[in-house]
Amino acid sequence: SSELTQDPAVSVALGQTVRITCQGDSLRSYYASWYQQKPGQAPVLVIYGKNNRPSGIPDRFSGSSSGNTASLTITGAQAEDEADYYCNSRDSSGNHLNVVFGGGTKLTVL
Amino acid sequence: EVQLVESGGGLVQPGRSLRLSCAASGFTFDDYAMHWVRQAPGKGLEWVSGISWNSGSIGYADSVKGRFTISRDNAKNSLYLQMNSLRAEDTALYYCAKGGAGAKWAAFDIWGQGTMVTVSS
Repeated sequence: SSELTQDPAVSVALGQTVRITCQGDSLRSYYASWYQQKPGQAPVLVIYGKNNRPSGIPDRFSGSSSGNTASLTITGAQAEDEADYYCNSRDSSGNHLNVVFGGGTKLTVL
Repeated sequence: EVQLVESGGGLVQPGRSLRLSCAASGFTFDDYAMHWVRQAPGKGLEWVSGISWNSGSIGYADSVKGRFTISRDNAKNSLYLQMNSLRAEDTALYYCAKGGAGAKWAAFDIWGQGTMVTVSS
């Protein structure tokens, strides 16, 4: 099965812009989705498809993709954005119904 | 209100079985794919299994293939996960998540709060 690789930890100053990346072969075939998870809570979808935000997600969250890398950008990070962020996509090897998650990135807002 | 509520978790001995359930409400259940995702304590998210709206397409992670079976009952707006031959490494919080069709198969826009499964003697 495919793998998605994320940096374990990233930090950003309050109000600045941060990009969280996700790398993997499956991203050459499928878009990534991005999830925010705060301690003790279920994950929340923040970006899916080319660059789509579910209802209620602030427009400071955006997504992009190039080659085997997908990125989640937070423009003007807020204190409440401190959380773990996960990417996922369909698996491009073997059974394409399978889904793979990245290992997650812990975002700290300074 | 759109909601997913998992149940059926608990403490089970290695090698035994457990059946998880997920009750859906607030959306047209039989229009959407559904998935199980787990998270071991202090670890990341791991996709377990997914099933299409009509049960015609099913996928499993390699780690559970042959031991777990996903199913759904659209008349009852419910999703299930039959877990057999449980191992210590299956210990995790199991989430039910709503997916979509085609390009949205892996976009999980609704999650339950999870049910904890602990495999230990």
